[in-house]
Amino acid sequence: GAVVSQHPSWVICKSGTSVKIECRSLDFQATTMFWYRQFPKQSLMLMATSNEGSKATYEQGVEKDKFLINHASLTLSTLTVTSAHPEDSSFYICSARGSRTTYEQYFGPGTRLTVT
Amino acid sequence: GQSLEQPSEVTAVEGAIVQINCTYQTSGFYGLSWYQQHDGGAPTFLSYNALDGLEETGRFSSFLSRSDSYGYLLLQELQMKDSASYFCAVREAGDDKIIFGKGTRLHILP
Repeated sequence: GAVVSQHPSWVICKSGTSVKIECRSLDFQATTMFWYRQFPKQSLMLMATSNEGSKATYEQGVEKDKFLINHASLTLSTLTVTSAHPEDSSFYICSARGSRTTYEQYFGPGTRLTVT
Repeated sequence: GQSLEQPSEVTAVEGAIVQINCTYQTSGFYGLSWYQQHDGGAPTFLSYNALDGLEETGRFSSFLSRSDSYGYLLLQELQMKDSASYFCAVREAGDDKIIFGKGTRLHILP
């Protein structure tokens, strides 16, 4: 149980376009979802925390107008990278936590974004 | 704020035992987790310690000392497939989020 999917697994887009990444909890309801960004050989940097039906809480230094997060249901959160630039190229990973656990996060497989 | 320190790299031999240490500084503390991440993959949960002591799950064990703000992950009977990055992570009391350390890259030699 506790499977989280992400779509797409990889995407290449041109500079200036927007890209939407979906994160779904497949077999549980995720009250909270998290979005991380990871550069090669570096740690996961938390970008934002989203709770279903409310606005996301962004970490310091993360532009909320550039990284739009929507958590419309208990099983779906989306991250939209708007007006993407090459420096936005990274590995984006979501995780979800259900109400039945207090500590464990279940991670999606990640989305590799390349902006050309 | 919070900070976590763990070694950047560790090398061990197949079949041996290795310990990866993690020290943390937080304004409040809820628990210490460990995650494994293979190259190109997503992190997978390994263990969680909220109380002092040792938690064992198969070949992996995790230890926590809250008074020392210190924990470690112990991997026994190392296998080549254990070559990966290992992250310690803390959840602060009263907070929803988990903050990850920089990760320890484990190299295993045959």
